[in-house]
Formats: sequence, C-alpha cells, structure tokens
Amino acid sequence: QLQLQESGPGLVRPSETLSLTCTVSGGSVSSSTYYWGWIRQSPGKGLEWIGCIYNTGSTNYNPSLDSRVTISVDMSKNQFSLTLRSVTAADTAVYYCARRASSQLSPFDYWSQGTLVTVSS
Amino acid sequence: EIVLTQSPGTLSLSPGERATLSCRASQKVSTYYVAWYQKKPGQAPRLVIYDGSKRATGIPDRFSGSGSGTDFTLTISRLEPEDFAVYYCQQYGVSPRTFGQGTKVEV
Repeated sequence: QLQLQESGPGLVRPSETLSLTCTVSGGSVSSSTYYWGWIRQSPGKGLEWIGCIYNTGSTNYNPSLDSRVTISVDMSKNQFSLTLRSVTAADTAVYYCARRASSQLSPFDYWSQGTLVTVSS
Repeated sequence: EIVLTQSPGTLSLSPGERATLSCRASQKVSTYYVAWYQKKPGQAPRLVIYDGSKRATGIPDRFSGSGSGTDFTLTISRLEPEDFAVYYCQQYGVSPRTFGQGTKVEV
C-alpha cells in the first residue's frame, strides 16, 4: 500500500523559504508510471495545485506560483521536495503531497494526510 | 484558469437519503477529466470518481459521477454513515489543474 508522509517546519517567517519533503513508501519515485505533486489548502479556501515532478526531473508548476516554487526529487531517499520562496501570510496552508499517473491527464490517486504550515513572525 | 464552483456549500441529510452534489465550471471541461475527492478530518483526501464517471478502487457503487460541458454531478444514492465528509471536484484537462471549494455533506 502506497503511503506518502510530509515532513518539515510547521512555522516559517515571512519573506523566508518554506521547505517540505514527502517520503514515499510502498512505491518508488523513480517509477516511470507516475508523477509526484504538491497541493495546498489555505484556511477557509479550496484546494490549489502547486506543481508536479517526474522521475526525469521534469516539472510543471501552477503559473500563480511559478516564480517562487521549485519541486525536486531525490531517488536515493525515495523522496520529493517542495521549496517556496519569499513566503507571506497568504502561503499559510495545509500542504499535501500526492501521486498521479504519468498519463498527461490523470487525477491524484494517492494523497498524504497533509501538514499545516503557518507563515508568521 | 478554469474556476469550479460547487453547490451547495453544505448539504444536510440523513443516512439512507440521496445526495446530489453539483460542480459548475467557468468554461467547458472535457467530461473525461473531472474527478471527485472525499475528505474527512485528519485523513488524506480520497479519490472517489475520475474521468467523469469511473469509480476509483474500492469505491462502492452507491457513488456515481455524471455531467458534461460545464455542469457535473456527484450522486450518492443512499448515504451511509461513513459518507459524511467534504467532497471536492477537480478538473485536470486544462492546466492549471483546479479544484472546487468543496461541499460538506453533514448529518
């Protein structure tokens, strides 16, 4: 059974960098069958897709965050990571990592439970 | 980007009743690229319906998806106690992938 688990600080100061890691068990980030992605949900708001990465390192990002976000993969640790620069209070959210099939058009079929990241001084 | 508007915001029903959840898109979406997710407190979101009408693995047949164009529907034919949750629609046919704001199905 695939499991995804996020890790990282729960509090980030404004203007600093948010960094989260998703550890995959029961599956492999090096698989050519899947993309690995990040989604977030701000308090009282809907879900927002952040971006995805493939095992080749190829990425695609939400244009609304493109200038501040980087997603990377570490196959040796079976992890992928999210970096979001220059954060503000608007980046306070529950962050989820998830998997989707490598078909161009596919939903997220496995999600993590989510981790709350608060941006505050 | 495509904006998805879900209605109602909250649906108050009893076990055994039928639930009909709506998702309206700001522009046409291919039926094949609409999904529905179930979210319960403290749990990971769970894929319920994908490609508009296909049930995900392990999803009981009381769940069904339908619709086309800009209007999509998730129907739960007879609510079971474990079905009370928040449901989100998503379109993944056009980038960026977008989600609705959710419908809470409560007792």
